[in-house]
Amino acid sequence: EADIYQTPRYLVIGTGKKITLECSQTMGHDKMYWYQQDPGMELHLIHYSYGVNSTEKGDLSSESTVSRIRTEHFPLTLESARPSHTSQYLCASSARPGGEKLFFGSGTQLSVL
Amino acid sequence: GESVGLHLPTLSVQEGDNSIINCAYSNSASDYFIWYKQESGKGPQFIIDIRSNMDKRQGQRVTVLLNKTVKHLSLQIAATQPGDSAVYFCAEKNSGRDDKIIFGKGTRLHILP
Repeated sequence: EADIYQTPRYLVIGTGKKITLECSQTMGHDKMYWYQQDPGMELHLIHYSYGVNSTEKGDLSSESTVSRIRTEHFPLTLESARPSHTSQYLCASSARPGGEKLFFGSGTQLSVL
Repeated sequence: GESVGLHLPTLSVQEGDNSIINCAYSNSASDYFIWYKQESGKGPQFIIDIRSNMDKRQGQRVTVLLNKTVKHLSLQIAATQPGDSAVYFCAEKNSGRDDKIIFGKGTRLHILP
């Protein structure tokens, strides 16, 4: 069982609100990722981090931002949520070197009204 | 551009039969491939992986086959069980370029009683 946790599990908010999706892992992994996934569809990488103070944008353009101040914590923030942000957000981590085996959290299902 | 995809969005298999899930990839530089299983309401879970210097790798009830000539990947599940019901994703990585793992669209596996 992977030790990576995401909160909240579900979130329904109004347009224009600022939100932060939390992700924490207790495995000491250096690499962490955020993926966006629509139901039954592929995962799109939106942000990743190689370690503390490292953040990179993924392949899918996103209006979200991330921070990595501590190894175990990789929060994702939306400054002003819109209905187009409605989706599932999955956080993952992996060890280095290599880092191919991703451990995923259970996801946050975000609905913006 | 790079893309990883699956041939069929849905596959129905009789319980006890073998399942074969297929995946085509377009990036000939990819050197590492992974299969993930995603059950409803959960994040993807690692099943099995294979490097490009191999053609076949076996796990417990699962086998991954890699055909680099036609850029094709398959996952075989022996004696399919109800617990195998899930969406299956193939993913690929080009280790020489970056650490990003690209996911395909997913195949939903239905187990018929």
